[in-house]
Parts: sequence; structure tokens; C-alpha cells
Amino acid sequence: DAGVIQSPRHEVTEMGQEVTLRCKPISGHNSLFWYRQTMMRGLELLIYFNNNVPIDDSGMPEDRFSAKMPNASFSTLKIQPSEPRDSAVYFCASSFAGPTYEQYFGPGTRLTVT
Amino acid sequence: KQEVTQIPAALSVPEGENLVLNCSFTDSAIYNLQWFRQDPGKGLTSLLLIQSSQREQTSGRLNASLDKSSGRSTLYIAASQPGDSATYLCAVRLNTGTASKLTFGTGTRLQVTL
Repeated sequence: DAGVIQSPRHEVTEMGQEVTLRCKPISGHNSLFWYRQTMMRGLELLIYFNNNVPIDDSGMPEDRFSAKMPNASFSTLKIQPSEPRDSAVYFCASSFAGPTYEQYFGPGTRLTVT
Repeated sequence: KQEVTQIPAALSVPEGENLVLNCSFTDSAIYNLQWFRQDPGKGLTSLLLIQSSQREQTSGRLNASLDKSSGRSTLYIAASQPGDSATYLCAVRLNTGTASKLTFGTGTRLQVTL
């Protein structure tokens, strides 16, 4: 298996632009997670899905952030409009919902908003 | 709210030394605990997962222990090598409805010198 796939790996954009990050989970996994990592706040869970349904989005910082999972093999995280404080590494992870719920992480997308 | 603390934040040891990384958590009602490794600019790699009913798990030179009642886990690395240099993160899952959700510590940055 190719593991969790994320694209793009790096994204540089200007403040106010829309940014879309993409994730393909491991085949057969039915849970998907979006995280954000910064030096100041560490690794934070933004949102997660079970069977394509959003379960907990309490970590989404504000309405500028939205996530979708239209099918079991694809998810997007969108920021509109982007701001410099959104600069971070965004990780996608997937797991099978039980018995261990072990999560597997993608390589991340490094986002820089200027 | 579950809080996870890792001490020390950074550690430098000479090659060949045995070392222990510490992780503590405030809510002992955990489902399991997972240790990850993160190399600079990379995603997270799962090292070991300990279920709440287990006391320890071993993989090669790595041994993770869990004392749920005291809210502690340790990661023991034997005969450290320069290739072990990375940031090590522990993460816990609560034994509640959202067992999928992980809470991460801030990590221990390890450097193994020649």
C-alpha cells in the first residue's frame, strides 16, 4: 500500500487566496483525520471523519476552514480566505475504526501564507 | 480535558547510551497510547501502540511501558544510534465514545551524537 497520500507537499500563497489541501487515505481505512502542526501549538486535531461523515470538528479554528470527504478515498481541507497565521504543516491521517484505532500519517503539506 | 506532557523537551546523548523518554497524561481512562517518531520535515511514523490492558510493548531496541493508574508511559531506547535522532511524540486515546481521537504531547527532540 502507498500509505496516506497528501498533495501538494508545499504550498505558498498570498493572503486572501483560497487554499485546498488534498488527502487520499489508506485503502480500507474508514476514519480520516486532519491535523495542523506549528512550533507554538504542536500537533492539533482539526476534524475527523468516520465512514465519510464528520464526527468532531471542534478543532477547526474558524469559519474560514472547511473539510469534506465526498467518498472513502478522498478528502479536502479548504481555507478561504487564507491568512499568514494559517502557515503551518497540515497532516492527514487514517485508521481503521477498531480494535486499536492505530493512525497512519501522510507526509504533510507545508503551507506558507505571505 | 486530557493533557499530555513530555519531559524532557530536548535530549542529547552520545551514541551507545540507553535512554528513557517520559510521557504523562492527566486522565487515566485511556483506551490506548501510541508512540510516534517524526523526522525533520516529515510525517509521523508509528513506533509502538500499547492497549490499556497491557503493561509494555517491545519492538527491536524500543520498549514502551504503560502505568495507567499513575498516568505515565516511558519509551526506552537501548544502545542509541545517530539514526535515532528525531522528535518522539506520545499520544493517548480516551476510553470514551470518541476512541478514534488522539491527544498528543509536545514531543521530545532527541539528538544522538557520534
